[in-house]
Amino acid sequence: GDSVTQMEGPVTLSEEAFLTINCTYTATGYPSLFWYVQYPGEGLQLLLKATKADDKGSNKGFEATYRKETTSFHLEKGSVQVSDSAVYFCALSEVMNYGGATNKLIFGTGTLLAVQP
Amino acid sequence: NAGVTQTPKFQVLKTGQSMTLQCAQDMNHNSMYWYRQDPGMGLRLIYYSASEGTTDKGEVPNGYNVSRLNKREFSLRLESAAPSQTSVYFCASKATRGRIANYGYTFGSGTRLTVV
Repeated sequence: GDSVTQMEGPVTLSEEAFLTINCTYTATGYPSLFWYVQYPGEGLQLLLKATKADDKGSNKGFEATYRKETTSFHLEKGSVQVSDSAVYFCALSEVMNYGGATNKLIFGTGTLLAVQP
Repeated sequence: NAGVTQTPKFQVLKTGQSMTLQCAQDMNHNSMYWYRQDPGMGLRLIYYSASEGTTDKGEVPNGYNVSRLNKREFSLRLESAAPSQTSVYFCASKATRGRIANYGYTFGSGTRLTVV
């Protein structure tokens, strides 16, 4: 079945450092890809998304590009802040064989990011 | 601007007790979902409801039942709680039609359940 693999954390960075969190996926068809962020004690919030190959999602300085050839959707940010400390989840939207979306999200295990001042 | 509201936020149960986790959304979304979040395992889908009147099993449905009471409400029931059900439970909803379908899921803030 479809699956998402994320790099294990925690990732600890100093403020203003460059961030990369790797995400690769296995899927039939052409799923949509997402990054969600979970701040301490809260639910998940959509950070960015991409719906087709070569699309770049971006939000709040974060970006990720849908790479079909490498089945990847790595999250990047040029200069992290302490306020970016959170758990980041990569996810895909399952696509059924006939091309319709089931709208079910399949999540990676999450990567904890800790940014130190 | 309530979004997705889950109750309770915290609960401690004894093994064998039952309880219902409540979820309501005010965004007129068609689809609703229950996930559990466990360390090192990400979020796993328990049950979902693609539209009012329908429910389907997800990845880890054993030990749970759900009810889609109306378009707004989707409850999760544990009939006989077990320590393995200690987890954080998230409800989510999503529009499946129109432009708002592109905005992804909206999650509640979670219910932290401990079964002793």
